[in-house]
Amino acid sequence: KNEVEQSPQNLTAQEGEFITINCSYSVGISALHWLQQHPGGGIVSLFMLSSGKKKHGRLIATINIQEKHSSLHITASHPRDSAVYICAVPYSGGGADGLTFGKGTHLIIQP
Amino acid sequence: DSGVTQTPKHLITATGQRVTLRCSPRSGDLSVYWYQQSLDQGLQFLIQYYNGEERAKGNILERFSAQQFPDLHSELNLSSLELGDSALYFCASSAHRVGVQDWENTIYFGEGSWLTVV
Repeated sequence: KNEVEQSPQNLTAQEGEFITINCSYSVGISALHWLQQHPGGGIVSLFMLSSGKKKHGRLIATINIQEKHSSLHITASHPRDSAVYICAVPYSGGGADGLTFGKGTHLIIQP
Repeated sequence: DSGVTQTPKHLITATGQRVTLRCSPRSGDLSVYWYQQSLDQGLQFLIQYYNGEERAKGNILERFSAQQFPDLHSELNLSSLELGDSALYFCASSAHRVGVQDWENTIYFGEGSWLTVV
């Protein structure tokens, strides 16, 4: 089973700051997921990436497969970015497996 | 709206009882996943079905079972419920196609079913 470590667990920042959340995993994978969970519970997939870098608006995700590490960056952060961000990888490493999750990063952006 | 529908949204039941949670995946998605989110364990993978067949098992208890029907909807059955089973249960679906663009294998989550065991 893949193990996922995320840091930091909690992060409070001021509006406009550049945010970085880190994720490390133990077993080689085919793809890594970044998810967002808002209060109330709904989970949204932000990125699925297997190499390099992806960008959606102010969100950027990078992955280094050799180092088994990924980062999620938020540029020009805004209070609406406040949420829990969760890194997830395939449960046993490959294919379209079920996911195993990091404990999440609770992000609060203050105006 | 992810396109994944879960019912019921909330459920309160007593210890020892049995409940069934239902999930309708996004149209055309062949894979259905069940996850449990609790305060102490976080998010955990329970089980995956692909086109009607069980594909992978995670941390699913023997008291829990699931199935996927020919129309691809899925049900998660929880029996002999204990207080510790109180959690948010998510269903997710994906197209699950090998060798296609990443976006086709993106996982879409339902809004979850809140289960409270009293």
